[in-house]
Amino acid sequence: DTGVSQNPRHKITKRGQNVTFRCDPISEHNRLYWYRQTLGQGPEFLTYFQNEAQLEKSRLLSDRFSAERPKGSFSTLEIQRTEQGDSAMYLCASFSGTGGYNEQFFGPGTRLTVL
Amino acid sequence: AQTVTQSQPEMSVQEAETVTLSCTYDTSENNYYLFWYKQPPSRQMILVIRQEAYKQQNATENRFSVNFQKAAKSFSLKISDSQLGDTAMYFCAFMSNDMRFGAGTRLTVKP
Repeated sequence: DTGVSQNPRHKITKRGQNVTFRCDPISEHNRLYWYRQTLGQGPEFLTYFQNEAQLEKSRLLSDRFSAERPKGSFSTLEIQRTEQGDSAMYLCASFSGTGGYNEQFFGPGTRLTVL
Repeated sequence: AQTVTQSQPEMSVQEAETVTLSCTYDTSENNYYLFWYKQPPSRQMILVIRQEAYKQQNATENRFSVNFQKAAKSFSLKISDSQLGDTAMYFCAFMSNDMRFGAGTRLTVKP
């Protein structure tokens, strides 16, 4: 297992289009988190899953955003009708919480540019 | 809601010197974790050090150590013997269920 992976790494889209990002967490990590990071800022929490259940959603997650983790493994984040303000780095992190490893492991991110 | 504040947007230090980055947080919870993450330019976020709130002893990891003051809700990071590779954005983070990050401190280590 090489860690958390995210695809695509870069996405350029036109305003109004839909985009979907994928995150593959570390195997057997039961929690998966999504964050948004704009240039020069810290990551902002969007949502997280415990296995397949989405337990919390930030108010930043508007109706145009939806996230799923259908089998408790990989997760997808979809943005519908993209806006220029959606341009950001979208980070995924996975977390075990057992065995003393209380740490979130981050993926490399997907950089979204909305033209 | 939990908030994390990093009051130093930018800092610089000479190679081999020591630097301290500040972080304060606000929470009503008693059990939580605190972290410092490092994000080099255009690279992945990696963990520097973590502290469990129930532990009184300050965490240390080689050249990195923290000063955790639970009553004051303060969690500063000290980097000793700074190296050029320490140049990065440093984020303080608070975790109970979700994780909240500060705005970051851009640290530059000068040769």
